[in-house]
Amino acid sequence: SAVISQKPSRDICQRGTSLTIQCQVDSQVTMMFWYRQQPGQSLTLIATANQGSEATYESGFVIDKFPISRPNLTFSTLTVSNMSPEDSSIYLCSVAGTGSIYGYTFGSGTRLTVV
Amino acid sequence: AQRVTQPEKLLSVFKGAPVELKCNYSYSGSPELFWYVQYSRQRLQLLLRHISRESIKGFTADLNKGETSFHLKKPFAQEEDSAMYYCALGGSQGNLIFGKGTKLSVKP
Repeated sequence: SAVISQKPSRDICQRGTSLTIQCQVDSQVTMMFWYRQQPGQSLTLIATANQGSEATYESGFVIDKFPISRPNLTFSTLTVSNMSPEDSSIYLCSVAGTGSIYGYTFGSGTRLTVV
Repeated sequence: AQRVTQPEKLLSVFKGAPVELKCNYSYSGSPELFWYVQYSRQRLQLLLRHISRESIKGFTADLNKGETSFHLKKPFAQEEDSAMYYCALGGSQGNLIFGKGTKLSVKP
């Protein structure tokens, strides 16, 4: 299965600032997914990032708040913009295995605290 | 609607006792179901996928389409099984839809 390097692993940020999270995959993948895990909650999909096209956002998430880049088949970034304390969460990237039946691999997550 | 329900937030058992973590799903097509586990301070990792019908760390899960369930079972729980367990459904958009998770606590 793919190996994902995600960074930073954690950060404490001031409200109103932005943070960019990076995910590097050791193989080429078509689809990358960005999830959010709020404290004590499950994982919620933010958006799907395909190389060469704009990301597809889920209901409740917008590009202005969570811009995503996908410059190639091994890399993606998620930016959390104009942060507020409500954005304090763990953010994870994920890629699908060879066919979804093989499951999905997750990055180690970025624990974001906004103060 | 595509949905995964894990009715128990917390499940506490003693070491050696059987454990069953419940998962029910809602999906109109043929579902692809997974169990993920997250140990303390570790990343989310795949535990089981229904298509493979394998047993990992003594855990098994059977897809019951009639009951739309995919419960995770282990006959004898170990302390190292203590973790968060998430049931997930492969969505029609290629993503995963997660249940809210069940925290399993195995007491000595």
